[in-house]
Amino acid sequence: GENVEQHPSTLSVQEGDSAVIKCTYSDSASNYFPWYKQELGKRPQLIIDIRSNVGEKKDQRIAVTLNKTAKHFSLHITETQPEDSAVYFCAANTGGFKTIFGAGTRLFVKA
Amino acid sequence: KAGVTQTPRYLIKTRGQQVTLSCSPISGHRSVSWYQQTPGQGLQFLFEYFSETQRNKGNFPGRFSGRQFSNSRSEMNVSTLELGDSALYLCASSFDLEKLFFGSGTQLSVL
Repeated sequence: GENVEQHPSTLSVQEGDSAVIKCTYSDSASNYFPWYKQELGKRPQLIIDIRSNVGEKKDQRIAVTLNKTAKHFSLHITETQPEDSAVYFCAANTGGFKTIFGAGTRLFVKA
Repeated sequence: KAGVTQTPRYLIKTRGQQVTLSCSPISGHRSVSWYQQTPGQGLQFLFEYFSETQRNKGNFPGRFSGRQFSNSRSEMNVSTLELGDSALYLCASSFDLEKLFFGSGTQLSVL
């Protein structure tokens, strides 16, 4: 069945450094790849997304890249700040009525 | 516009009981998805409803069921509760079947 693997499960960086989270999906029909951020005790919220016809998308300090051939996509956060500390989830959608999530990455940004 | 509303916020049940959770989507959103969130397991897809029809289902036992009403509100039912059903249950509504807007969740504890 469809599966999304996410690495690492925990990531600790110093404030100002960059953070990279990587995901791999199994269903080649997947065409939409969102990223969600979940702060402690809060609901997941969409922070950025990318479609299969685009290789890279940037929004201020965050960017996503997609390699369709390898079925890999990544989240890049530059100049990390303490408020970036949260759990980040990657996900894949095949255009149907199902979004599959990775297991999540807990990001700690140390001041 | 009001966000996704889930009730109740907390529930404590004992093994063998059944439980019903409610989700009111954002006005105009006809798709409602349900997810189970447990530590280390990420967001596990339960099922998705669109226009009162279940369009997709995850790999959960038949004890987990749901329905959607004509006003797009959705309910999820778990029968014969087990200890392992303790989790945060999140619902998400969508307008475009891609971007998900999550509720705050129902924290279910099974004793």
